[in-house]
Amino acid sequence: NAGVMQNPRHLVRRRGQEARLRCSPMKGHSHVYWYRQLPEEGLKFMVYLQKENIIDESGMPKERFSAEFPKEGPSILRIQQVVRGDSAAYFCASSPPLTGVDTQYFGPGTRLTVL
Amino acid sequence: AQTVTQSQPEMSVQEAETVTLSCTYDTSESNYYLFWYKQPPSRQMILVIRQEAYKQQNATENRFSVNFQKAAKSFSLKISDSQLGDTAMYFCAFMKPAGFGNEKLTFGTGTRLTIIP
Repeated sequence: NAGVMQNPRHLVRRRGQEARLRCSPMKGHSHVYWYRQLPEEGLKFMVYLQKENIIDESGMPKERFSAEFPKEGPSILRIQQVVRGDSAAYFCASSPPLTGVDTQYFGPGTRLTVL
Repeated sequence: AQTVTQSQPEMSVQEAETVTLSCTYDTSESNYYLFWYKQPPSRQMILVIRQEAYKQQNATENRFSVNFQKAAKSFSLKISDSQLGDTAMYFCAFMKPAGFGNEKLTFGTGTRLTIIP
């Protein structure tokens, strides 16, 4: 069973460009979470999605950031008009359909560098 | 809102020794879940151990065990017979289950553990 996959692993953007980060959950998992890790800090929750639904986006900046998890295909975290402060590692995690509380399994992360 | 505190930014220990990493949290919930995740230099987040608050018995996974003190809101991780591969950042995390199951994880700031050969 393949783990959570994220691509690209490294992404370099210039200020003002768009960044698209992709996450494919583990097989059989229908819940996706995005977290951001700034240098030398812990992970901070951004958004929680199920297929075609955003469940909790309380940690996501209101502007420039959006996320989706379509019926088919990976989850996408999109950052428009990137700024230097967006430079961070972005982690995706997934968990199975609701059978109670389940562990979140993390992907390897995408390291975004904004020049 | 829940908070998680890891008061030891860095620790080091000789190989084969035992080390304990501390974690405290603040919550008004009675039912919740606690986790330790490991982040080696590869930056992959790896689950080490998980504890359900309603269980009095401390969780163990091979060389890893926890000391869960619910009243004190403390959740420390003990690593026995430490190995070089244990060198990593260790994050304590809290989850409050929503009515339908999962919810977001709240992480501490981490402890950088170095195992010395």
